[in-house]
Amino acid sequence: AQTIHQWPVAEIKAVGSPLSLGCTIKGKSSPNLYWYWQATGGTLQQLFYSITVGQVESVVQLNLSASRPKDDQFILSTEKLLLSHSGFYLCAWLGDQNTLYFGAGTRLSVL
Amino acid sequence: GQQVQQSPASLVLQEGENAELQCNFSTSLNSMQWFYQRPEGSLVSLFYNPSGTKQSGRLTSTTVIKERRSSLHISSSQITDSGTYLCATNTGANTGKLTFGHGTILRVHP
Repeated sequence: AQTIHQWPVAEIKAVGSPLSLGCTIKGKSSPNLYWYWQATGGTLQQLFYSITVGQVESVVQLNLSASRPKDDQFILSTEKLLLSHSGFYLCAWLGDQNTLYFGAGTRLSVL
Repeated sequence: GQQVQQSPASLVLQEGENAELQCNFSTSLNSMQWFYQRPEGSLVSLFYNPSGTKQSGRLTSTTVIKERRSSLHISSSQITDSGTYLCATNTGANTGKLTFGHGTILRVHP
């Protein structure tokens, strides 16, 4: 069975500090991976997607970047956090019949 | 682009009552999913249902493409059903790009 793990569970960071969020999927070869973000009280929106190692497409510009260093790993990062980056970040993979499965998420508070 | 509207925005039930949640979308779609969002934020996939009717336990999803709507029926609600229900659609080549509605917040009281 496939499992998706996100880390950390939660972060409290200062404005201007760097950030790195991670996502690992096990049990699925060459998965399509996605980063989603939900601002407090907002709807979920896709930020990035990756079909293969080393290839990432940006969907929404939020001064964030993403990388796919390994087949099973997807990283979201920035060198300088903004207040507007606060929210809930979810990693997802595409299963059979185009069904999207999400990780448990990382809650980020930028102060 | 695709717009997804969910109704009602919130719903309060007595345990044992049924619920009908609606999702309306503006353009034709490739896929339709219903999710349950736990209070801490994590998502549970309930149904992938781009057309027709699917049932899982007390939950039934019906999507009518030509009417651009999907519904989620919860029968005999339980306190543990409380949370936010989200519908989401995909319309383009990026098959993992879902457009989400704002959700229906369900509260079930004893």
